[in-house]
Amino acid sequence: SQTIHQWPATLVQPVGSPLSLECTVEGTSNPNLYWYRQAAGRGLQLLFYSVGIGQISSEVPQNLSASRPQDRQFILSSKKLLLSDSGFYLCAWSAESYEQYFGPGTRLTVT
Amino acid sequence: GQNIDQPTEMTATEGAIVQINCTYQTSGFNGLFWYQQHAGEAPTFLSYNVLDGLEEKGRFSSFLSRSKGYSYLLLKELQMKDSASYLCAVRDSNTDKLIFGTGTRLQVFP
Repeated sequence: SQTIHQWPATLVQPVGSPLSLECTVEGTSNPNLYWYRQAAGRGLQLLFYSVGIGQISSEVPQNLSASRPQDRQFILSSKKLLLSDSGFYLCAWSAESYEQYFGPGTRLTVT
Repeated sequence: GQNIDQPTEMTATEGAIVQINCTYQTSGFNGLFWYQQHAGEAPTFLSYNVLDGLEEKGRFSSFLSRSKGYSYLLLKELQMKDSASYLCAVRDSNTDKLIFGTGTRLQVFP
């Protein structure tokens, strides 16, 4: 069966500091991978998605970036965090155009 | 444009039935999904509809009318553990991406 991992589970970072969130998927090959952000009381906002190694599409212009160095690894990064980057970050995977399955999420607080 | 509407909050009593509605407007449609999200946790997949009609899965059922841009999630025999947010999401056929509504927070009371 497929499993998706995210770490860390929670993170408190000062404004201006860098960020690296990691997501890995087990039990499937060549998954579509997604990064979402969920701000308090708001819907899921798609940040990035990837259909293969090195292929990243950005949805929202911002100070975040994503990379996919391996087939089942997806990384979300920032060089300098803003207060507005606080939120619940969710990684998800899907097999082509089927339903998406979410990882446990990372709760980021920027102080 | 793309727009998904669902009620912000609903309340119901344990053992009862509740219907959560979702209306959508998208430039292209290729399926509607319902997810359950408990507070502080990730969304979990509940159901998928791509054709008109009712899909039943245990205590949960989901209905779709493509001509009306309308779906509902029906929860029967409510349990306390059903207290959660329920997210409606539509796959846009032009981009193949999921567009999520802001979710309906359901509170089940004893």
